[in-house]
Amino acid sequence: EVQLVESGGGLVQPGGSLRLSCVASGFNLDDFAMHWVRQLPGKGLEWVSVITRTGSKIAYADSVKGRFTISRDNSKNSLYLQMSSLRPEDTAFYYCAKDIYSANWDRFDSWGQGTLVTVSS
Amino acid sequence: QPVLTQPPSSSASPGESVRLTCTLPSDINVGGYAIYWYQQKPGSPPRYLLYYHSDSDKGRAPGVPSRFSAFTDNSAHAGILLISGLQSEDEADYYCMFWSSTDSGVFGGGTTLTVL
Repeated sequence: EVQLVESGGGLVQPGGSLRLSCVASGFNLDDFAMHWVRQLPGKGLEWVSVITRTGSKIAYADSVKGRFTISRDNSKNSLYLQMSSLRPEDTAFYYCAKDIYSANWDRFDSWGQGTLVTVSS
Repeated sequence: QPVLTQPPSSSASPGESVRLTCTLPSDINVGGYAIYWYQQKPGSPPRYLLYYHSDSDKGRAPGVPSRFSAFTDNSAHAGILLISGLQSEDEADYYCMFWSSTDSGVFGGGTTLTVL
């Protein structure tokens, strides 16, 4: 069974940093591109970033470009999101999601349960 | 950043059919992009349902009933999610999504479907 478990969320002050992790099980992480998608509490979804299986292709939403960095360690079955210069509008549940492809991206066929990031003073 | 527009709410009775629309910006060719649909129930992460690009390029996720289907309405410049034979378990938020020409993912604002 595919499982994605996010961690690392919490309360952080504006301008601060946080690193999210996502541990995968039930499949070979290095066979798939992986995404981060966020959702403001009670609101809609926003795609954040994607990384292909080797890390050769990465993309970010304009809203996080230059502040967030996606990475992965396939040997640890883990995906990461380093977030810096955090703003109150970054407050959201952050989901990691598995793509169906490895060297490109298409659709998210499995999702974690999410981790909550709150940016507030 | 292109925007996908979804009505905030929709409702229908059990057994009826409901069309959920996802309107694309007027400068985007509806037929040039695949539209993906996700379902989210309270307290759960989203779930991928299906996608539609053309009659020869479409697909439904494993386990998704055939009463869920999708197509595009060129006159409305929209992607459509059609749910036939509505059931109470279909009550959820539905999001459309596509990949822009700059490879950025774009979600619609979501439609809350109420089964009366």
